[in-house]
Amino acid sequence: QVQLVQSGAEVKKPGASIKVSCEASGYTFTDYAIHWVRQAPGHDVEWMGYINLGNNNTKYSRKFQGRITLFRDTSADITYLQLSELRSGDTAMYYCARDKSLADWGQGTLVSVSS
Amino acid sequence: DIQMTQFPSSVSASVGDRVTITCRASQGISDQLGWFQQKPGKAPKSLIYDASTLHGGVPSNFSGSGSGTDFTLTISGLQPEDFATYYCQQYNSYPLTFGGGTRVEIK
Repeated sequence: QVQLVQSGAEVKKPGASIKVSCEASGYTFTDYAIHWVRQAPGHDVEWMGYINLGNNNTKYSRKFQGRITLFRDTSADITYLQLSELRSGDTAMYYCARDKSLADWGQGTLVSVSS
Repeated sequence: DIQMTQFPSSVSASVGDRVTITCRASQGISDQLGWFQQKPGKAPKSLIYDASTLHGGVPSNFSGSGSGTDFTLTISGLQPEDFATYYCQQYNSYPLTFGGGTRVEIK
């Protein structure tokens, strides 16, 4: 069955960067894009961007443009979210999900940003 | 950006009740809409895609309908495991956007 397994929780200081991984299994990796979504306490669920694993194209939400990079490990079925210049408002649970319909989700990675 | 308005924000119901949740898009999205269930401390789980198609393994007491701008999720015969928060999401255009969620609580 389809599985998306994410890396563990992170605690960062403001201004730092994070790199969250998402390892896929159970399907042909290049057939579907991986999307990243975050959910902060008291805020709506927010789409961040996606990477098309067939051609490596990416598309980012305007809100995160300039701070976000999505990329893949070409030797494994793993994609990464990198978010820079972290601030307290980036404290959230970050999820990867398969396809634009978000058919399957990773378990989530809690990122806490605090001085 | 397409705004997704979901209501009610919460509903209290009893086991066996029928619950209907509505999601309205700020512009037409055809049938490019999904519904998700989320329980506390867990990742969302996709229930329905293309407005009305159930994912494999989703109980048949869940159903979705609608097209264009107005959509509904109906839970018929509410079960104890159905108490959760539900979200809609459009994937007709980018950025993907979500409704604000509906919390289904035990009466």
